[in-house]
Amino acid sequence: AQSVTQLDSHVSVSEGTPVLLRCNYSSSYSPSLFWYVQHPNKGLQLLLKYTSAATLVKGINGFEAEFKKSETSFHLTKPSAHMSDAAEYFCVVSELEYGNKLVFGAGTILRVKS
Amino acid sequence: DTAVSQTPKYLVTQMGNDKSIKCEQNLGHDTMYWYKQDSKKFLKIMFSYNNKELIINETVPNRFSPKSPDKAHLNLHINSLELGDSAVYFCASSHKGAGGRTDTQYFGPGTRLTVL
Repeated sequence: AQSVTQLDSHVSVSEGTPVLLRCNYSSSYSPSLFWYVQHPNKGLQLLLKYTSAATLVKGINGFEAEFKKSETSFHLTKPSAHMSDAAEYFCVVSELEYGNKLVFGAGTILRVKS
Repeated sequence: DTAVSQTPKYLVTQMGNDKSIKCEQNLGHDTMYWYKQDSKKFLKIMFSYNNKELIINETVPNRFSPKSPDKAHLNLHINSLELGDSAVYFCASSHKGAGGRTDTQYFGPGTRLTVL
């Protein structure tokens, strides 16, 4: 079975400081992993995805994530937070063997202080 | 141009009513999905259709019936609405990627359903 655990429900950072949103996954086979962002009252936007190519994945808006199979982690980072990064972030796993359905983590709310 | 669109954006209705939410994508994708986001923001897949055929049906009450008239549309009909159906419903679409893996799923803006 596949599952995702986002280790922090809320993260608060100051503008200009690094962002780290943590995600651990569980999968039986070879997962695809995604990070989506949801701004208040908006839909979901893909930040980045890992699908068995390079383990360090770069996404939009300066975000990146590293797939670490030995740690079953896919943490999301950004060197310098911007006020516009304040949103909810979802780590997502998908596997071909489970019909490619997306399984979402519970989400991490990122707050950026000025 | 909107890639994945949903109508209506907001839907307020009484318990026991029947309602539909429409979804259309103009991306040429062959797979479409419905997700439910509850009040705690937890997102869970409900259905998935590939080329108009149902391929994923999670344990959703049979009051929920998806209908795909063509590859570009996946509508969600809900009978006998209950208070617990209040949520935001998201439609999404994707190509089937290389090796059968799912490609990026593109989400619609969501439909906020409130059942009174």
